[in-house]
Amino acid sequence: SQQGEEDPQALSIQEGENATMNCSYKTSINNLQWYRQNSGRGLVHLILIRSNEREKHSGRLRVTLDTSKKSSSLLITASRAADTASYFCATDGETSGSRLTFGEGTQLTVNP
Amino acid sequence: DAGVIQSPRHEVTEMGQEVTLRCKPISGHNSLFWYRQTMMRGLELLIYFNNNVPIDDSGMPEDRFSAKMPNASFSTLKIQPSEPRDSAVYFCASSTSGRGYNEQFFGPGTRLTVL
Repeated sequence: SQQGEEDPQALSIQEGENATMNCSYKTSINNLQWYRQNSGRGLVHLILIRSNEREKHSGRLRVTLDTSKKSSSLLITASRAADTASYFCATDGETSGSRLTFGEGTQLTVNP
Repeated sequence: DAGVIQSPRHEVTEMGQEVTLRCKPISGHNSLFWYRQTMMRGLELLIYFNNNVPIDDSGMPEDRFSAKMPNASFSTLKIQPSEPRDSAVYFCASSTSGRGYNEQFFGPGTRLTVL
C-alpha cells in the first residue's frame, strides 16, 4: 500500500478561511515534507518536519506530526486565492535512502 | 541559480519514436531524481542517482526506459520505443544529499504526448 496518503482529495473553501489537509503514512520515517504544485508547474517545497518534532510553523503554514498515529496535518491560515494548488506530503523512510515517497495530493481551491 | 532546467518543455511524438528528455540539476546538488506524473497514477519515482550513480531504478516501468547521468550537471531519460501510455509529465528534481533531509528542487517538467 502507498506511503503518504492525503485526505481530503479535494477541498474547496472561501478566501480568509483556514484549510487543513491530512497525511497518513505506514512505515517509520526520518522526516516528512509538504510540497505545493501549481497547475502545470513542478512541485515546490514548503516545509519539513523531522520525526522528533511535533509542530512547525512557517508564515501562514502550520504542520503537525504524530508519529504514534503515523499522521501529519498541514494548516494554511487565512487562505488566499493564490493558495489554490495541489498539496503533497512526502516521506523519507528510515531505509529509503535519498528517495521520497509522495502521496496522491489534496487539490485545494480557494474561492475569492 | 537558474534552478533545475529541463528540456524540452513539451514533446509530441508518434508511437515507436525515440524520446530523450534532458535535465540539468542545480549546481552542487549530488542527488538527482526522475519522476513521472499522470492523473491515474499520480507522482511516481522512476529512478534516482547519487553522485552520478544510479541507486534505485525499481520505478522504471520497463526496458524501454533508460536513464543516464554522465556527469554531475547532466542527466537524460530515454524512452525507446515510445508508446501512447507513456504520455505524462516527466519531472527532474535534485537535492544536496541523501536520506531526504534536504528538500528536493523540481524542474518545470516535460509534457510528453505520444500519439
